[in-house]
Amino acid sequence: EAQVTQNPRYLITVTGKKLTVTCSQNMNHEYMSWYRQDPGLGLRQIYYSMNVEVTDKGDVPEGYKVSRKEKRNFPLILESPSPNQTSLYFCASSFFRGETQYFGPGTRLLVL
Amino acid sequence: SQQGEEDPQALSIQEGENATMNCSYKTSINNLQWYRQNSGRGLVHLILIRSNEREKHSGRLRVTLDTSKKSSSLLITASRAADTASYFCATDAKMEGGSEKLVFGKGTKLTVNP
Repeated sequence: EAQVTQNPRYLITVTGKKLTVTCSQNMNHEYMSWYRQDPGLGLRQIYYSMNVEVTDKGDVPEGYKVSRKEKRNFPLILESPSPNQTSLYFCASSFFRGETQYFGPGTRLLVL
Repeated sequence: SQQGEEDPQALSIQEGENATMNCSYKTSINNLQWYRQNSGRGLVHLILIRSNEREKHSGRLRVTLDTSKKSSSLLITASRAADTASYFCATDAKMEGGSEKLVFGKGTKLTVNP
């Protein structure tokens, strides 16, 4: 089944404890992206990747890192999480930038 | 208006009625997409309409695009309770400086009452 998977789905952590949210797609998509969704603010792009080893900042990259060592994986790293990073995170992929995006199920993160 | 701004923010209708949501944007676009999100879950793609297209259909969905007015509408006909969700437009926008990006609106929350 074509899909985007994210893990974990739910995470409670404390300020400063490094964490990684994994994202994987099995559709051979070139483009992958991370978004965060907050009430009243809609979806905001954190980072995106046009292809392997090519990543770039979105609208709200501060406090996040990403890597794209393999085409299928695009992990999101929070080196030192803070409470303002409490949010619902989505990974998405598409064949190319600007085309139909396929979203993962979301990761709900709470930083205490 | 912002790039990709939906209107209304919330819409409540009875089952069987039609639901219309609008999206306005500011810059030139390559395409405009509509997505649906059930509460707290991932977005699901509904329709993509390119800038040279004016209308597209998919089942009970009808999307129109008016590039002269920089607006799009999503019509859901004969709505069902299962259509209750938030609907987002996303514009593949041509930004200042020549860059291009996919920008999501804040969504219309549709409630279909049985």
